[in-house]
Amino acid sequence: QSVLTQPPSASGTPGQRITISCSGSSSNIGSNIVNWYQQVPGTAPKLLMDSDNQRPSGVPDRFSGSKSGTSASLAIRGLQSEDEADYYCSTWDDRLNGRVFGTGTKVTVL
Amino acid sequence: QVHLVQSGAEVKKPGSSVMVSCESFGGTFSVYGFSWVRQVNGQGLEWMGGIIPVFGTPNYAQKFQDRVRISAGEDSDTANMELSDLRPGDTAVYYCARESKGNFYYGMDVWGQGTMVTVPS
Repeated sequence: QSVLTQPPSASGTPGQRITISCSGSSSNIGSNIVNWYQQVPGTAPKLLMDSDNQRPSGVPDRFSGSKSGTSASLAIRGLQSEDEADYYCSTWDDRLNGRVFGTGTKVTVL
Repeated sequence: QVHLVQSGAEVKKPGSSVMVSCESFGGTFSVYGFSWVRQVNGQGLEWMGGIIPVFGTPNYAQKFQDRVRISAGEDSDTANMELSDLRPGDTAVYYCARESKGNFYYGMDVWGQGTMVTVPS
C-alpha cells in the first residue's frame, strides 16, 4: 500500500558497501526532499539522512544519500555489525497531501 | 538535550477511543511541531498526521482523517493524539516525533519512546 517501494532486504559482509533504493513518483520523490530513518527493532526510529543527502549531527559519514528523478538511494560504506537495522525512506506526497514512508529494508551484516 | 516522553501503554475495547500524550523536555516545540507515526506489529512506519503550532490547523493522513484528532497544548510543549472507533487493526506502537524545521518536508529528528496501544478482538 505504500507509495514508496524499497527492497525488503539487503546484506553484506563487514567492510562492504551496500545501497538501498527507494522508488516513488513525481508527486512525492520527484517534487520533495527525501529523508531516511534507521530503526533497530524494539526502539524508536532515528533520523539518518535529511534533505536528500544531509547527515544530522552524530551520523557517521559512512552513510550517504542521493536522489535522481523519482528515486532515491541510501549507501552504507564500510558496513558494520551495528548497522543491522530496518531502514525507511520518507518524503511528502503532494497528491496525498501527507508524509509517506517506504516499505522498509532490513539490513543484515553477514 | 531535547527528549520526548509519551504516556503509558493502553488496552482499549473495540469502538472506544484512546488518547496518547507527548511532552517535550529540554526545549519548546512551538517553533517546530509534532507528528504522529504508528507501527503495527513490527511492520512499516505509517504517518497519521501532525501539527505545527504556529500554523494552528492539524494535517491528517487521508486514511485517518475521520478518526484522529491531533492537538497541541497551550504551552506548545505537549501534543495529544486521539484515535476513535478503535479496531483490532489499530493495535500498534504509536510514536510522536518532532518536526525538525517547523514543517512536514524535512526530517523528524527527535522521537518519543513509543506507546503500545492494544485493541483485543
